[in-house]
Amino acid sequence: GQNIDQPTEMTATEGAIVQINCTYQTSGFNGLFWYQQHAGEAPTFLSYNVLDGLEEKGRFSSFLSRSKGYSYLLLKELQMKDSASYLCAVRDPPTGTASKLTFGTGTRLQVTL
Amino acid sequence: DSGVTQTPKHLITATGQRVTLRCSPRSGDLSVYWYQQSLDQGLQFLIHYYNGEERAKGNILERFSAQQFPDLHSELNLSSLELGDSALYFCASSVGQGSEAFFGQGTRLTVV
Repeated sequence: GQNIDQPTEMTATEGAIVQINCTYQTSGFNGLFWYQQHAGEAPTFLSYNVLDGLEEKGRFSSFLSRSKGYSYLLLKELQMKDSASYLCAVRDPPTGTASKLTFGTGTRLQVTL
Repeated sequence: DSGVTQTPKHLITATGQRVTLRCSPRSGDLSVYWYQQSLDQGLQFLIHYYNGEERAKGNILERFSAQQFPDLHSELNLSSLELGDSALYFCASSVGQGSEAFFGQGTRLTVV
């Protein structure tokens, strides 16, 4: 099975940089995803890492270390609209055509003025 | 707009009843996943279908069942509803196993 840990809540100031950590213990690994979810809305895809290292996409970057079971999502130049929950999800190794995502409980980020 | 369509958006029903939630995946996506999200809880994986066949089951109750039809849309059936079944139910689709999943807007189920 999968066990995924993220901080429950974080607060940061508009214009600042925030790092949201995710650690996982898994029986198998086939990639890690970050999703953003505003309250009551659908999760939207942010980033995907399957190899170690940093993936940068605009103001958002995601890092993965498979040996440490660790990832982080880095948000730069924070904006008020970035206030949301950030979900870390690990994909199981595929068995045939089955491959599901297991989600952490998410980190609720509050951006303040 | 993710391209994944879920209906209805909201559903209020009484305990003991049965409801059906519907999901139309993105055009070309063969995989459909169902997730349950209770208040302040993470997304709990329920079930995965690929091209009409069940591929993986998560923490899905026996009172719940799903299917994927030849046109690839999927339905999640919830029966003998209990108050604790109140949650957001999300459907997600992906091309297969290699890419990210795109989520629908969810169905908010309230059991009273």
